[in-house]
Amino acid sequence: GAGVSQTPSNKVTEKGKYVELRCDPISGHTALYWYRQSLGQGPEFLIYFQGTGAADDSGLPNDRFFAVRPEGSVSTLKIQRTERGDSAVYLCASSSDPTRARNEQFFGPGTRLTVL
Amino acid sequence: AQKITQTQPGMFVQEKEAVTLDCTYDTSDPSYGLFWYKQPSSGEMIFLIYQGSYDQQNATEGRYSLNFQKARKSANLVISASQLGDSAMYFCAMREGEVQGAQKLVFGQGTRLTINP
Repeated sequence: GAGVSQTPSNKVTEKGKYVELRCDPISGHTALYWYRQSLGQGPEFLIYFQGTGAADDSGLPNDRFFAVRPEGSVSTLKIQRTERGDSAVYLCASSSDPTRARNEQFFGPGTRLTVL
Repeated sequence: AQKITQTQPGMFVQEKEAVTLDCTYDTSDPSYGLFWYKQPSSGEMIFLIYQGSYDQQNATEGRYSLNFQKARKSANLVISASQLGDSAMYFCAMREGEVQGAQKLVFGQGTRLTINP
């Protein structure tokens, strides 16, 4: 079946602009996660949705970052007034059953964001 | 303090040999889960193996096994009979706390594994 998809695969923007990154989780997965991966680093957690609500947004770095999941499937990560330090690969993941201990997260290919 | 430490930035191994990738973790929570992911050059993170803190036996998934030493807080990944396709970045990650209330994964810095023919 189809895995997690993310669009666009690459996004180049100028400092100060607004960007939206989209994530389509695996069909039926109730949990959705956003991570950010800087060059040479492991992914860093941003936000976790269970259904439509953000269950944990402790990883969002500041109020320029916001994410929504209005119908409990597709999610959009929104970044306002982008800064050069926002340049990274933004990874989305989904999982089927957060009540299970194993609950592996399935990742998408990521969106590479470059802020000039 | 680092939650997850991977001390090997890079590893080079001959094809068909076994390889161990190190991971140590730091938590005071008695309930946690440990995961290993593979990230090929394409960028997608691929789940390999999971070990729960209460699991009595080491996890195994095909050629992957996890050497879990709870007292030492280590969770090393062992890949048997390495293949050229195993060349990738490998990340160790931890989920702390009871499952329903804690879902985020904390990742280490990764180890770049290169398999030589």
